[in-house]
Amino acid sequence: RKEVEQDPGPFNVPEGATVAFNCTYSNSASQSFFWYRQDCRKEPKLLMSVYSSGNEDGRFTAQLNRASQYISLLIRDSKLSDSATYLCVVKTGGFKTIFGAGTRLFVKA
Amino acid sequence: DAGVTQSPTHLIKTRGQQVTLRCSPKSGHDTVSWYQQALGQGPQFIFQYYEEEERQRGNFPDRFSGHQFPNYSSELNVNALLLGDSALYLCATRLAGGEETQYFGPGTRLLVL
Repeated sequence: RKEVEQDPGPFNVPEGATVAFNCTYSNSASQSFFWYRQDCRKEPKLLMSVYSSGNEDGRFTAQLNRASQYISLLIRDSKLSDSATYLCVVKTGGFKTIFGAGTRLFVKA
Repeated sequence: DAGVTQSPTHLIKTRGQQVTLRCSPKSGHDTVSWYQQALGQGPQFIFQYYEEEERQRGNFPDRFSGHQFPNYSSELNVNALLLGDSALYLCATRLAGGEETQYFGPGTRLLVL
């Protein structure tokens, strides 16, 4: 079983749609959680950290369920510019950071 | 303020050769992590350097080695290159003081023929 698993997609949605990505992790001792965005042939960039209480940044909402070892990202009112690969990231004890394989999103006009 | 920089941007090598990739962190950043990203995959953690020491290592063979210099820049060395080493190599740096956010460089694309 992979340490961090994501649905690879791709997700093809129209502009204005709401889309949700899920991610599961295997190490119950994991401490920190993030979503990164990676555009085609570019480096990953931090989208948002994920907190136990859930957090929101504009159209983006992240949730963490420690009991189920599950992280989610919700994007509301999708824009063409949201088309990218979304990477779920988990930091275990120590200094190791584990990335999921990513979920590809295509937003169509 | 320059962001994280990496050199070279692209590199072509043949099997069995050795390669050195370089990373310069953002100003104020002291921790450097290296990742390998194969096509269609997420970045895989190679190792992390802090205070010129390797602090943690992922599941990569000893052919992968690194170094951090007193100015916090870092090198990744790969010996005896294999075809499977073809990938995007990313470095990520972190602000001194323990902030969690990593800032990635643009990467070096390595092709092994």
